[in-house]
Amino acid sequence: SAVISQKPSRDICQRGTSLTIQCQVDSQVTMMFWYRQQPGQSLTLIATANQGSEATYESGFVIDKFPISRPNLTFSTLTVSNMSPEDSSIYLCSVVLRGGRKADTQYFGPGTRLTVL
Amino acid sequence: GENVEQHPSTLSVQEGDSAVIKCTYSDSASNYFPWYKQELGKGPQLIIDIRSNVGEKKDQRIAVTLNKTAKHFSLHITETQPEDSAVYFCASHNAGNMLTFGGGTRLMVKP
Repeated sequence: SAVISQKPSRDICQRGTSLTIQCQVDSQVTMMFWYRQQPGQSLTLIATANQGSEATYESGFVIDKFPISRPNLTFSTLTVSNMSPEDSSIYLCSVVLRGGRKADTQYFGPGTRLTVL
Repeated sequence: GENVEQHPSTLSVQEGDSAVIKCTYSDSASNYFPWYKQELGKGPQLIIDIRSNVGEKKDQRIAVTLNKTAKHFSLHITETQPEDSAVYFCASHNAGNMLTFGGGTRLMVKP
């Protein structure tokens, strides 16, 4: 596996503001994803973070609301823009490791717990 | 798209008993089925997985079974311990490289 860190681990924000979440991995990865987990719910894929190009968003998620960057193989950011209380969730990054025995196994970071007031 | 159903949503067992969580999936092309354990305040942790060419896999107290014909797979935890208490998620992976998650099972192991 790999060590995946996220910053911040938690934050409380005012509505209308934006928050950028960072994901750093200590190994090279092939794929990076961002998920949202609403309180008491399962995981929903927001987008696939593509290195050096625009992220691929799932239905219901748009770039203006959740801009994503991935400047290199081991780092990505997710911004939650113009936040509302409905954005209160845990945001998780996950990775598929380069050279791993299993090309499709995803490992998750610890998550960022966001509360919007 | 893929749909994954997970049951039960909550499960309470006595320490030492077994726990079984079941999932069904809809896409017959799905070929990889991981299970994740999520403790409070933490990210999901991969605990075991199974691929479509295998019917059963075991790792100490944890086992997973897969029935491709019926499109269902199950997690079995034997000799449960209080530290097994967590939320467990099944998932299905298809050729599009996407994971679809079940709704989760909150397992409570009572000492």
